[in-house]
Amino acid sequence: DVKVTQSSRYLVKRTGEKVFLECVQDMDHENMFWYRQDPGLGLRLIYFSYDVKMKEKGDIPEGYSVSREKKERFSLILESASTNQTSMYLCASFRNTEAFFGQGTRLTVV
Amino acid sequence: AQSVTQLGSHVSVSEGALVLLRCNYSSSVPPYLFWYVQYPNQGLQLLLKYTTGATLVKGINGFEAEFKKSETSFHLTKPSAHMSDAAEYFCAVRLGGSYIPTFGRGTSLIVHP
Repeated sequence: DVKVTQSSRYLVKRTGEKVFLECVQDMDHENMFWYRQDPGLGLRLIYFSYDVKMKEKGDIPEGYSVSREKKERFSLILESASTNQTSMYLCASFRNTEAFFGQGTRLTVV
Repeated sequence: AQSVTQLGSHVSVSEGALVLLRCNYSSSVPPYLFWYVQYPNQGLQLLLKYTTGATLVKGINGFEAEFKKSETSFHLTKPSAHMSDAAEYFCAVRLGGSYIPTFGRGTSLIVHP
């Protein structure tokens, strides 16, 4: 089975902190995505990557950056966390037509 | 451009009743269509998908969906709801030439005893 692992299930950070969310997949997939999930808004794409060191902005990239130094790892970075970034963050990797999701990281910024 | 509309943010059914979750899409080319389920505090899991071929697609846990091109719809159904079906359901569309899916806003399925 494909496994997508997000490093934390729950995080609490302070406003202004630099926050790293890590995602690792074990199936050698080229395409990886970071989504943000908020009630009533569904999943919104933050960034995606289709290869090592390649990244593309999604629909809501402001306040975020990403890093993909190795194929299996895709990191989401909040440069200076703000309270409006309190949300559920979902990482996914893609094979052909199917997406495989991690368990999600629920981030609270106080 | 592609978009997905899920009708109804919440759907409530009794255990044993028919489940119908509605999804309409807009796409300028034949799309790939998906339904995902999310249980509380979990990631999303693929229920079923339509790519090509038979328009009636069967998925896990007794769910199925039918691709109706003329109606641009991909509604999800299950003949008899079970308490364990209570979850958030997401419809998604992806164009053939792109690997970026667009998700609907989700429908929360509530199952009453």
